[in-house]
Amino acid sequence: AQSVTQPDIHITVSEGASLELRCNYSYGATPYLFWYVQSPGQGLQLLLKYFSGDTLVQGIKGFEAEFKRSQSSFNLRKPSVHWSDAAEYFCAVFHTGTASKLTFGTGTRLQVTL
Amino acid sequence: KAGVTQTPRYLIKTRGQQVTLSCSPISGHRSVSWYQQTPGQGLQFLFEYFSETQRNKGNFPGRFSGRQFSNSRSEMNVSTLELGDSALYLCASSRGTLAGGYEQYFGPGTRLTVT
Repeated sequence: AQSVTQPDIHITVSEGASLELRCNYSYGATPYLFWYVQSPGQGLQLLLKYFSGDTLVQGIKGFEAEFKRSQSSFNLRKPSVHWSDAAEYFCAVFHTGTASKLTFGTGTRLQVTL
Repeated sequence: KAGVTQTPRYLIKTRGQQVTLSCSPISGHRSVSWYQQTPGQGLQFLFEYFSETQRNKGNFPGRFSGRQFSNSRSEMNVSTLELGDSALYLCASSRGTLAGGYEQYFGPGTRLTVT
């Protein structure tokens, strides 16, 4: 079965430091991959997506992610974190065909210290 | 362009009652998906509607149902509420096709509390 793993439940970084959130997926075909961010009590905001082509994708708010097929990974990065980036981040894989739904990872909560 | 809207934002219901949640997708989007988010189970897919037809369904009991109207607005109904149905219910809209794009845009959610 298709699945998404986010191994880090909680990460704390200092403002201005770099960030990398890990995501591994299990999916038979070429995956459609997404990263979403959720602030407390809010819905999910799409940060970036990967469908095909260039494996390094740029998103909003200065985030980028790299698709590595050999490692089944789609890690999210940001060179310099801002306090406003504190939130929960979800990686998701989209199933095409008869099961067109998003499967989410369990999320990584990011705390930013000043 | 207006985003996805969900009404109501908050609901408190009693066990055994039923509830209807509403979702208005982004203009031009024909696919609406519903997700349940709880601390214990995370984000789980309920069902997806595309052009008024249920295209996919997750592993939820029959108490959870939905529909989509000709203007793409969607409603979700939960009958005979249980305490475990307390959750944030998220609606997401998408063009829903390979040509149009599969990325889903989420509404703010409806927080349902069952007492």
